[in-house]
Amino acid sequence: LAKTTQPISMDSYEGQEVNITCSHNNIATNDYITWYQQFPSQGPRFIIQGYKTKVTNEVASLFIPADRKSSTLSLPRVSLSDTAVYYCLVDRGTSYGKLTFGQGTILTVHP
Amino acid sequence: EAGVAQSPRYKIIEKRQSVAFWCNPISGHATLYWYQQILGQGPKLLIQFQNNGVVDDSQLPKDRFSAERLKGVDSTLKIQPAKLEDSAVYLCASNLAGVNYEQYFGPGTRLTVT
Repeated sequence: LAKTTQPISMDSYEGQEVNITCSHNNIATNDYITWYQQFPSQGPRFIIQGYKTKVTNEVASLFIPADRKSSTLSLPRVSLSDTAVYYCLVDRGTSYGKLTFGQGTILTVHP
Repeated sequence: EAGVAQSPRYKIIEKRQSVAFWCNPISGHATLYWYQQILGQGPKLLIQFQNNGVVDDSQLPKDRFSAERLKGVDSTLKIQPAKLEDSAVYLCASNLAGVNYEQYFGPGTRLTVT
C-alpha cells in the first residue's frame, strides 16, 4: 500500500488560494489519489479524486504531475468554513479499493 | 437525501463494560464500513460489509469487537469488554456498490472509557 506524506498543519487567510501537497513516492500503476475533508465532530467528506494531470470540481482542483509521485489539492479563495483536516489517500479507486487514512493536514483559515 | 445515521452520539462507560453502536446507511448503499478514529489520527477501518456479508475484518480486534449487518441494511458494532484504549470516535460509512472511493460518513459516536 502506497504511503502518503503531507504537512501536519497549514495556516491561511480568508480569500487566499491554498495548496496542500501530498507525497506518495510508491504509488502503483492502479492507484488513484483521493482527498477527503473532515470538520470537527463530523465524519470525513469526499472532495475529489484523480489519476493524472488535472481534475477540477465545484469545490477544489487536484494537480497530479506526470510521475504521479505527488499531488496538490488546491482550494480557491478559502473562507473560515474551510478550516478542517484534509486527508490525502492513495487507493485502488475501483470497486474493491480500501481507504487508508493518514494523519491529514490541519488547515486553519484566519480572518 | 438522508445521510448516514448513527446512535448514540456520545457514550461514557467504565472499562470492562459492554457497549453497542448502531448505524443506518444511506438507502440503497450496499457497502457499509465501521471505522475507529482516535483523537489526532485519521480513521482506521475496522470492518467492511457488502450487503450482509463481511468483506474485510482484518483490523477488527475480534476478541472484544463484533459487528453484524442483518438483512443487509442496519448494522451494529459491539465492544465487550471495553478497554481504556477503545476511547475513540466510531464512524460508520456507506457507499454505492462499485464506488468505494466515495464513501459517505455518519457523524460518529464518541466513546469514552473510564
